[in-house]
Amino acid sequence: DIQMTQSPSSVSASVGDRVTITCRASQGISSWLAWYQQKPGKAPKLLIYAASSLQSGVPSRFSGSGSGTDFTLTISSLQPEDFATYYCQQANSFPRTFGPGTKVDIK
Amino acid sequence: EVQLVESGGGLVQPGGSLRLSCAASGFTFSSYWMSWVRQAPGKGLEWVANIKQDGSEKYYVDSVKGRFTISRDNAKNSLYLQMNSLRAEDTAVYYCAREGYFAMDVWGQGTTVTVSS
Repeated sequence: DIQMTQSPSSVSASVGDRVTITCRASQGISSWLAWYQQKPGKAPKLLIYAASSLQSGVPSRFSGSGSGTDFTLTISSLQPEDFATYYCQQANSFPRTFGPGTKVDIK
Repeated sequence: EVQLVESGGGLVQPGGSLRLSCAASGFTFSSYWMSWVRQAPGKGLEWVANIKQDGSEKYYVDSVKGRFTISRDNAKNSLYLQMNSLRAEDTAVYYCAREGYFAMDVWGQGTTVTVSS
């Protein structure tokens, strides 16, 4: 199985900050990586698919990059509604696997 | 409106069974792979299983193999998860999700399964 790791596990940031989250796969997954946002008590929401493609309706301040084993999610200017937990997920092979999550909270 | 609605969760004793359902609407259900994803209390997301459009391929996480069965009824626009031999560690919110282009692009609101005596 492909193991996914994320760093940091949590980050404290202020509105307007640039936030970068990294995700690493235990083996190459080409560009088959997705990013999700989850708020407490809610279902996850797809932000990015195929490593860098922005899901319809997602603000352009979110961007993704990377290929192979190393990926990043960047929020260019953090907004109040962005405080949440973010998960990466590989879609290269079965079983699908998620990273452990990165919690973005208010500084 | 594209929508997934799960049902069937509840409290069950260890060793018991439960069948989850997911009703799809607003899209052509038979055109998509579908998945179940769970989240234990206070924990991260765990992919559980998925099924191809025609049901001919199914995949499971190791921890549920032999105990859980994913199925679908395209005529009823419905996805199912039959869960047998339930354990305390299966306690979680279970989400159904549509697989778009190599990502889960539509999610239900979740149904809670609690395994406890």
